[in-house]
Amino acid sequence: EAQVTQNPRYLITVTGKKLTVTCSQNMNHEYMSWYRQDPGLGLRQIYYSMNVEVTDKGDVPEGYKVSRKEKRNFPLILESPSPNQTSLYFCASSLIAEYNEQFFGPGTRLTVL
Amino acid sequence: KQEVTQIPAALSVPEGENLVLNCSFTDSAIYNLQWFRQDPGKGLTSLLLIQSSQREQTSGRLNASLDKSSGRSTLYIAASQPGDSATYLCAVPVERDDKIIFGKGTRLHILP
Repeated sequence: EAQVTQNPRYLITVTGKKLTVTCSQNMNHEYMSWYRQDPGLGLRQIYYSMNVEVTDKGDVPEGYKVSRKEKRNFPLILESPSPNQTSLYFCASSLIAEYNEQFFGPGTRLTVL
Repeated sequence: KQEVTQIPAALSVPEGENLVLNCSFTDSAIYNLQWFRQDPGKGLTSLLLIQSSQREQTSGRLNASLDKSSGRSTLYIAASQPGDSATYLCAVPVERDDKIIFGKGTRLHILP
């Protein structure tokens, strides 16, 4: 089944404890991106990647890192999480670029205490 | 900078009615516009993608239109059902950028 998977789905952590949220897609898509969704603010793009080893900042990249060592994986790294990073995070992928149909993962609900 | 607006933020209609959701954008230089559905606490499901060269796109009871010059798109839902209750979001990738901008969504509630 063609899909985007994220792990973990739920995570409660404490301020400053490094964490990684994994994202994987099995559709051989080149474009992958991370979003956060907050009440009243909607979905905002954090980082995106056009292909392996190519990443770029979205609208809200502060406090996040990403890497794209393989085509299928695009992990989101929070080196020192803070409470304002408590949010619902989504990974998405598309065939070539941002103008193709976007496929979303199920989401990761992160709480930083 | 591209801004995407969805009005109203919330809408309640009786079952069986036809309804229209609106999406407007400030920069008409877009590749396409995509409509999504999101159920509470869940991911986004793609409904329709309408290319900038298209006027309409249909899937079952859903019809999306695009007027690029006026910066507007509508999602028409025919014969609404309680299962249509969800949040509907529109998103535009911007031609001069590699990013995607989302509207904040319209929360739709179909009353049985």
